[in-house]
Amino acid sequence: QVTLKESGPALVKPKETLTLTCTFSGFTLTSSGMRVAWIRQPPGKALEWLARIDWDDDKFYNSSLRTRLAISTDTSRKQVVLTMTNMDPVDTATYFCARRHWGSDSFDIWGQGTTVTVSS
Amino acid sequence: SYELTQPPSVSVSPGQTANIICSGDRLGSKYCSWYQQKAGQSPVLVIYQNTERPSGIPERFSGSFSGNTATLTISGTQTMDEADYYCQTWDSRTYVFGPGTKVTVL
Repeated sequence: QVTLKESGPALVKPKETLTLTCTFSGFTLTSSGMRVAWIRQPPGKALEWLARIDWDDDKFYNSSLRTRLAISTDTSRKQVVLTMTNMDPVDTATYFCARRHWGSDSFDIWGQGTTVTVSS
Repeated sequence: SYELTQPPSVSVSPGQTANIICSGDRLGSKYCSWYQQKAGQSPVLVIYQNTERPSGIPERFSGSFSGNTATLTISGTQTMDEADYYCQTWDSRTYVFGPGTKVTVL
């Protein structure tokens, strides 16, 4: 069974750096074609893709947030980590990690999401 | 940056057909996926590559394409289908989601 689970702080202060961890099981990120992405959703708003990391360690970022984001993986522990610097109240959102659906540019398995509030 | 357009809301009576459209520049040259998101839950993939349905998704969900417009059709809509629906594509090394359509079954 494939699962992903996000973890991280529920509350961060403005200008702080957010670090989120996606712990997954049931698949191997080193398998050719595998990808894991981070997506967020502000309260009452649409989904917004943030970053993606591939089986070959290739990385892609939302161009509007590129300077603030870093995605990495620790394959031995089956985790994907996202850091976002200089947090602002507008970054308040539920953050999801998701696995690529094999053979397509879509996401078939999502984590439950973790809610992050940015407030002083 | 690339954008997708969806109607904010669609209303449908139980048992009837709901059509949710998604449009974008040159969308016809890309693949479109659809997600269902119920209140307080994570999104669920219901259609990928325009017309393909993942295993476990009911047959009443189908996808189609015409020109630069993708359509998610829910046939015989059930009350459990009430949710937000998002289209999504991949353009210039970026995943793009539509603004979402709220489907109300009443």
